Amino acid sequence: KNQVEQSPQSLIILEGKNCTLQCNYTVSPFSNLRWYKQDTGRGPVSLTIMTFSENTKSNGRYTATLDADTKQSSLHITASQLSDSASYICVPGGKLTFGTGTRLTIIP
Amino acid sequence: NAGVMQNPRHLVRRRGQEARLRCSPMKGHSHVYWYRQLPEEGLKFMVYLQKENIIDESGMPKERFSAEFPKEGPSILRIQQVVRGDSAAYFCASSPTGTGGLETQYFGPGTRLLVL
Repeated sequence: KNQVEQSPQSLIILEGKNCTLQCNYTVSPFSNLRWYKQDTGRGPVSLTIMTFSENTKSNGRYTATLDADTKQSSLHITASQLSDSASYICVPGGKLTFGTGTRLTIIP
Repeated sequence: NAGVMQNPRHLVRRRGQEARLRCSPMKGHSHVYWYRQLPEEGLKFMVYLQKENIIDESGMPKERFSAEFPKEGPSILRIQQVVRGDSAAYFCASSPTGTGGLETQYFGPGTRLLVL
């Protein structure tokens, strides 16, 4: 059974601080893993896409890592901004299965 | 190049009525995906279509729901005889090619359906 677990479920940090979001998955077969950002009331926006052979992928202040052996991924956000407040969703596999993600809140 | 467009953005229906949700993919995209998101839940895949073909409808409820992507015009998600449990946000996404590779799916703003 495919399963995605993200932690923490919610996170509150001060503006300017860094944070790391975790994703554990049990998807087989594995083709690629995507991280999405979803603002409240909007559709998800793709942040990174990685194949199983990639260990890290960056997009501005967002850096995703992937360990295909342990089926773990993380998303690191550097120098957080108020606009980073959103849900961050890890989506492994070719057939997209979205979890509820991590709800990140940045406070000034 | 306009993004994925969905209309209406909000739709109110009474129980038993029909709901039609429209999705215009990005220009040049021939693959469309529909998702449903219930309050406080993640997006759930419903159906994947290519022009004039349903590729994967494994997430579609067996009854009352149907989808099409005609050669011309937008993709349509149709819900017949709506019930209160159909109240949700319905998102459409498009990609230039299928999901087998690294194609990014671009999401529309969603249609929020409320069934009274």
